[in-house]
Amino acid sequence: QVTLRESGPALVKPTQTLTLTCTFSGFSLSSSAMCVSWVRQPPGKALEWLALIDSGDNKYYNTSLKTRLSISKDTSKNQVVLTMTNMDPVDTATFYCARFVHFRELDYWGQGALVTVSS
Amino acid sequence: QSVLTQPPSVSAAPGQKVTISCSGSSSNIGNNYVSWYQQLPGTAPKLLIYENNKRPPGIPDRFSGSKSGTSATLGITGLQTGDEADYYCGTWDSSLSAWVFGGGTKVTVL
Repeated sequence: QVTLRESGPALVKPTQTLTLTCTFSGFSLSSSAMCVSWVRQPPGKALEWLALIDSGDNKYYNTSLKTRLSISKDTSKNQVVLTMTNMDPVDTATFYCARFVHFRELDYWGQGALVTVSS
Repeated sequence: QSVLTQPPSVSAAPGQKVTISCSGSSSNIGNNYVSWYQQLPGTAPKLLIYENNKRPPGIPDRFSGSKSGTSATLGITGLQTGDEADYYCGTWDSSLSAWVFGGGTKVTVL
């Protein structure tokens, strides 16, 4: 059974760095077909893809946010970490992590973590 | 401004059919698989269609997907009140080396 769970702060201040952890089970990031991706969704708005990391430690980022994002993995702990720097109130969103298979579809999603940016 | 273009909303009566279009380009839909996601209110997105037209286990055959050229379509037949949700298309964009979503379509059952 594949599960993913996001964890991190619910509230961050403007200019701070957000660090979110995705802890997953039921698959391994050492498998060549597997990747983990992050997606965010501001309240009432559309999904926005952020980043992904694959089994070979290759990393891909949303071109608009690339300078602010960093993704990493700890295969032994089944965790993927996303950092986003210089947070602003417009970055308030629910952040999801999802399993990404063969660069084709996001087949399992976490429940999401709401992050509010406010002073 | 999303790379993939979807209509903001579609609606139909219970039992009727709706289709949702997703328009892209040769760098995304034209050369990569399309998937569709259903997001019920207050919940995480769920994979509905993958590899253009395949359904994961548990997804009823009322939901169908197709692709032609640089566009894809999601169809929902026998519309039910429980189908009221936001629907998103997604695909890999080879030029951007990034995943892209459509702007989402809200389905309303009248």
